[in-house]
Amino acid sequence: EAGVTQFPSHSVIEKGQTVTLRCDPISGHDNLYWYRRVMGKEIKFLLHFVKESKQDESGMPNNRFLAERTGGTYSTLKVQPAELEDSGVYFCASSQDMWKIRGPTNTEAFFGQGTRLTVV
Amino acid sequence: AQSVSQHNHHVILSEAASLELGCNYSYGGTVNLFWYVQYPGQHLQLLLKYFSGDPLVKGIKGFEAEFIKSKFSFNLRKPSVQWSDTAEYFCAVNAPQQAGTALIFGKGTTLSVSS
Repeated sequence: EAGVTQFPSHSVIEKGQTVTLRCDPISGHDNLYWYRRVMGKEIKFLLHFVKESKQDESGMPNNRFLAERTGGTYSTLKVQPAELEDSGVYFCASSQDMWKIRGPTNTEAFFGQGTRLTVV
Repeated sequence: AQSVSQHNHHVILSEAASLELGCNYSYGGTVNLFWYVQYPGQHLQLLLKYFSGDPLVKGIKGFEAEFIKSKFSFNLRKPSVQWSDTAEYFCAVNAPQQAGTALIFGKGTTLSVSS
């Protein structure tokens, strides 16, 4: 079974440019999460999709960040325009949603390798 | 607000030494607890998790962790480390009240094991 895949693995862009990160979750996983780790800091939650709907976007830093998950499959995270402080590693994770079947159930989140974004 | 504190930023050990990485969390309700590991060049992998039941949980590669509710702690242990355990370790929590809640991570601990 394929894991969570992220593209690109690295991206170096200039300040003011636009970058789009992509995440392909594990097939059948309704939950998709974006996280970010700025150098030296903890991994921080950005947002959570359930299928194509944004369940929680409380971690999005500002309106320069736009996440989409059209059709409930892959997701994109666009940064426009990029600033120096956006540099970091962006992780995507996915998990099954067993809520409908079993009620509250704790499921494991599987992570991608991350995209290292450097804004210069 | 929920938070996770990992006590050690960088731990250096020789092979066969015992390991204990500290993790404390701040949250007023029931929590799920996790340890993730990231080996150099690889993705984050789940090492072990605690949802309920026996507070001593065993994970992959000989790791275990003990949930002590009164201390809000979930320390990771391994009796004898190997060079291949060199990695970054993250403690994380989430709340089980609803399906699919996001993880809150600690800052991570880098473990370097010398052969």
